[in-house]
Amino acid sequence: QVQLVQSGGEVAKPGASVKVSCKASGFTFTSYYIHWVRQAPGQGLEWMGWISPNSGGTKFAQKFQGRLTMTRDTSISTVYMDLTMLRSDDTAVYYCARDFPGRGSDYWGQGTLVTVSS
Amino acid sequence: DIVMTQSPDSLAVSLGERATINCKSSQSVLYSSNNKNYLAWYQQKSGQPPKQLIYWASTRQSGVPDRFSGSGSETDFTLTINSLQAEDVAVYYCQQYYVVPWTFGRGTRVEIK
Repeated sequence: QVQLVQSGGEVAKPGASVKVSCKASGFTFTSYYIHWVRQAPGQGLEWMGWISPNSGGTKFAQKFQGRLTMTRDTSISTVYMDLTMLRSDDTAVYYCARDFPGRGSDYWGQGTLVTVSS
Repeated sequence: DIVMTQSPDSLAVSLGERATINCKSSQSVLYSSNNKNYLAWYQQKSGQPPKQLIYWASTRQSGVPDRFSGSGSETDFTLTINSLQAEDVAVYYCQQYYVVPWTFGRGTRVEIK
């Protein structure tokens, strides 16, 4: 069965960086884009960007340009989301989600809570 | 960016009754090459990740009960939950995936009256 399993919660200081992983199984890793979406406490969903596990190509929301990196390791079917220069308003649950072409995000990871606090 | 406007923010419905959620996009999300609306609905229960209910505005994801239905085209969409069950208590989001950045509505909280 399709699964996306994310790394555990993180606590980081303002100005630091965080790297969250998302390990895929149950499907051909290189055939589906992976998106990252975040959700601040009590708030709605915010799309951050996508990565093509096949090519490594990425596309980010404008507000994250310069702070966000997405990479992948095809040998272990894992994508990574790296957010730098953290601020308190980056405190959120971060989700990875599989993109079924033309149908949106059909499978989601369990989420990773990133807390930014001094 | 395409702005997705959902209404209402919340609603309370009696068990067995119908819940209706509206979503309006600031521009059309109809993909002309295949005549599909690139609009999805997600359900998010407390403490869980979102779950896709509907894609192409009206196609139910596999395993989703048929009391959930989606309708609409271009800029105006509706999610209907017929015969509301206790397990349907959640926040529901619409999303356009027609163009990057993908954008979501602010969500509609559905509760039992």
